[in-house]
Amino acid sequence: DTAVSQTPKYLVTQMGNDKSIKCEQNLGHDTMYWYKQDSKKFLKIMFSYNNKELIINETVPNRFSPKSPDKAHLNLHINSLELGDSAVYFCASSQEGEAFFGQGTRLTVV
Amino acid sequence: DQQVKQNSPSLSVQEGRISILNCDYTNSMFDYFLWYKKYPAEGPTFLISISSIKDKNEDGRFTVFLNKSAKHLSLHIVPSQPGDSAVYFCAARSQAGTALIFGKGTTLSVSS
Repeated sequence: DTAVSQTPKYLVTQMGNDKSIKCEQNLGHDTMYWYKQDSKKFLKIMFSYNNKELIINETVPNRFSPKSPDKAHLNLHINSLELGDSAVYFCASSQEGEAFFGQGTRLTVV
Repeated sequence: DQQVKQNSPSLSVQEGRISILNCDYTNSMFDYFLWYKKYPAEGPTFLISISSIKDKNEDGRFTVFLNKSAKHLSLHIVPSQPGDSAVYFCAARSQAGTALIFGKGTTLSVSS
């Protein structure tokens, strides 16, 4: 039973489209995250979401918006996709200790 | 400005020998440090952690050392095995519930 699952694993889409990536955790954690791993393999925090408090990395364009229907889910919605958005996106969750990561979503914008 | 730095992009070690991966940080507010292992096409997997009140934590073949005065930590793997070949990320956070800040990773290759 996967602790943190995200879908889809691969996503290929055209520039200008809007897309969503879903994330679910069954660990009962209070905090969820979205990370972006760019072409240089650098894992960079995009958002933290804890008890309806959203902490945004100021470098993230406002075309990206996290949506949390409940504590176990944190989806990532991206508007007007650009070529530079191509990356691997990881969802994660934590309580007080280590964070648990999903398998990643490889987004390719063409 | 990178707060967590892994200055060695890669490391090659023979099976059975020790692997030492290094990490430096700049933020003195960090109080919890972690190492993650990542295989291609998978998410990072937690390996071992250490609180800032300790200077060593051991779990089987893996030991993490923390030198707060030098703002440096290292991961020792002994003995190294071919299955340890992966990318290793150092991470840190300043308080519970905050996001982990990652280094750029070190690719470890263990040859048999």
